[in-house]
Amino acid sequence: AQKVTQAQTEISVVEKEDVTLDCVYETRDTTYYLFWYKQPPSGELVFLIRRNSFDEQNEISGRYSWNFQKSTSSFNFTITASQVVDSAVYFCALSEADAGNMLTFGGGTRLMVKP
Amino acid sequence: KAGVTQTPRYLIKTRGQQVTLSCSPISGHRSVSWYQQTPGQGLQFLFEYFSETQRNKGNFPGRFSGRQFSNSRSEMNVSTLELGDSALYLCASSFGPGGGNTEAFFGQGTRLTVV
Repeated sequence: AQKVTQAQTEISVVEKEDVTLDCVYETRDTTYYLFWYKQPPSGELVFLIRRNSFDEQNEISGRYSWNFQKSTSSFNFTITASQVVDSAVYFCALSEADAGNMLTFGGGTRLMVKP
Repeated sequence: KAGVTQTPRYLIKTRGQQVTLSCSPISGHRSVSWYQQTPGQGLQFLFEYFSETQRNKGNFPGRFSGRQFSNSRSEMNVSTLELGDSALYLCASSFGPGGGNTEAFFGQGTRLTVV
């Protein structure tokens, strides 16, 4: 069965610091998809990125970057020069190819960025 | 383009009652998934509907049920409410049948409190 682990339950940083959120996953499928979502206090989950299991190329989007390593089953998320608006709960999720749109989420990491 | 709309946003019910939550997906999206979010269990998948058919079901008791209409709107029903059903219920809308190649867009959720 699939599983996603986010070992960091809470991280606190000061504005402008870099921060990395860890995500480790387990799956028996060779085709799968990994996601990161952000949950602000309003409650809705905001999509950040999707990666498929055949694409290990790292991605950068502004201050956000993602490092996907199949060898260690990890899909880590780095925020560079963090800002107060980055404060939220971040979720890593996994979807297997034959599981429709079902997402298995990690427990989430609460990020607090202090001014 | 309107996002995912969930109604109502907040609900207070008494133990033993039943409740129906509604989700209107993004126009053109045919898949609707439901998730339960609690502090103790995190985000857990309830079920997914695609073109009015339930495709996947999570590990929840039969008191939790759902359906999807021809216009893709979905409802979920919880009968004989228990205190432990208090949670944020999130609906996700996706365009295709899944396989992880499309992202899910989430609504703001319905906060259910059972007293």
